[in-house]
Amino acid sequence: DAGITQSPRYKITETGRQVTLMCHQTWSHSYMFWYRQDLGHGLRLIYYSAAADITDKGEVPDGYVVSRSKTENFPLTLESATRSQTSVYFCASSEGTGSFGYTFGSGTRLTVV
Amino acid sequence: AQSVAQPEDQVNVAEGNPLTVKCTYSVSGNPYLFWYVQYPNRGLQFLLKYITGDNLVKGSYGFEAEFNKSQTSFHLKKPSALVSDSALYFCAVSGVSGSARQLTFGSGTQLTVLP
Repeated sequence: DAGITQSPRYKITETGRQVTLMCHQTWSHSYMFWYRQDLGHGLRLIYYSAAADITDKGEVPDGYVVSRSKTENFPLTLESATRSQTSVYFCASSEGTGSFGYTFGSGTRLTVV
Repeated sequence: AQSVAQPEDQVNVAEGNPLTVKCTYSVSGNPYLFWYVQYPNRGLQFLLKYITGDNLVKGSYGFEAEFNKSQTSFHLKKPSALVSDSALYFCAVSGVSGSARQLTFGSGTQLTVLP
């Protein structure tokens, strides 16, 4: 996981609060992604970004907001956390899509109570 | 839309025996296929990928995978399993154009290698 860092590793928050998960990569990869991992669902794409200031929705974007003002950072914000957003969140980066593989961070375990 | 199926939630195998983790896919056009492994409390690590060419792909830690276009499968294999291979394995597919170029993951298969 060297080169892509997620923070915090663990977070407990209350329903209705705003929370931001951070992701930082040092490779200058063009693409960055946010996934959530839930038992029985594998990994589902929340949002992705092809470059700074370019973002797009994935499979499950509702309730989430992203921004990418700098190539190396891709924060994910839960505007008003709900219990259904309790999950493990993974950030990934890649030089491209299609035949390029992704490099993943270590994840953030978020619990909404 | 593209999809990946991993029909087995759990695979158990004795140490030293061969292992197979199954994966089938659906995508328009030619697929790019990947296997990732996840150890407890860690992110996903790349194992191997198929882009084109030889149907048998060799990857990290002695793993290999066989691409079968007619059966739309990409099963992960290892001739002799180790206890340290116990982990969660994900198959993923991407296509060649548009939104299909994003990776789509299967639901994962928990591999347990018994000593």
